[in-house]
Amino acid sequence: DAGVIQSPRHEVTEMGQEVTLRCKPISGHNSLFWYRQTMMRGLELLIYFNNNVPIDDSGMPEDRFSAKMPNASFSTLKIQPSEPRDSAVYFCASTPWEGLYTGELFFGEGSRLTVL
Amino acid sequence: DAKTTQPTSMDCAEGRAANLPCNHSTISGNEYVYWYRQIHSQGPQYIIHGLKNNETNEMASLIITEDRKSSTLILPHATLRDTAVYYCIVRVSDNDMRFGAGTRLTVKP
Repeated sequence: DAGVIQSPRHEVTEMGQEVTLRCKPISGHNSLFWYRQTMMRGLELLIYFNNNVPIDDSGMPEDRFSAKMPNASFSTLKIQPSEPRDSAVYFCASTPWEGLYTGELFFGEGSRLTVL
Repeated sequence: DAKTTQPTSMDCAEGRAANLPCNHSTISGNEYVYWYRQIHSQGPQYIIHGLKNNETNEMASLIITEDRKSSTLILPHATLRDTAVYYCIVRVSDNDMRFGAGTRLTVKP
């Protein structure tokens, strides 16, 4: 079975450019999470969706970050404009409804972003 | 919100049991304890979770003290592939999983 699929795996861009990260959750999973991981701050929860609806975006750093989930099989995390401090590995995770109560999140392999 | 405290790092000999402790003294009665691990450059992987009873699955065992203020993750026969960062998490709400710094476990031959 295909797991959570993220793209791109690696992205190098220049400061000021727009960055779009993509995530395809596991089929049938209706909760989706975006995390960011850096050496300094560890793994941070940015936002999560339930049934395509954003539930809590309090972890989103600032207005330059936005996330959408137009349908159950696709989500994007956009950074515009990007800054060097946004350099990190961005993980997407999904879980089925019952997973909300079992706590078993399925993570993708991550997108490593470098902003020069 | 319940917080967790874990040692920064631990070593374990290959083939021996790895016992990873976690303190969660402010845990509430309905909060579960979860364990995940992250092998270098990969996404975190779910290991096990529990409320108050000890739990065992194919990966590990989870021992929770009677007062629920601490727990221990046990990998019964550690292998080199178990080298990873192990996260102990107390879930804040239904779908809010927040990771701390974790314990870096190094399994040595």
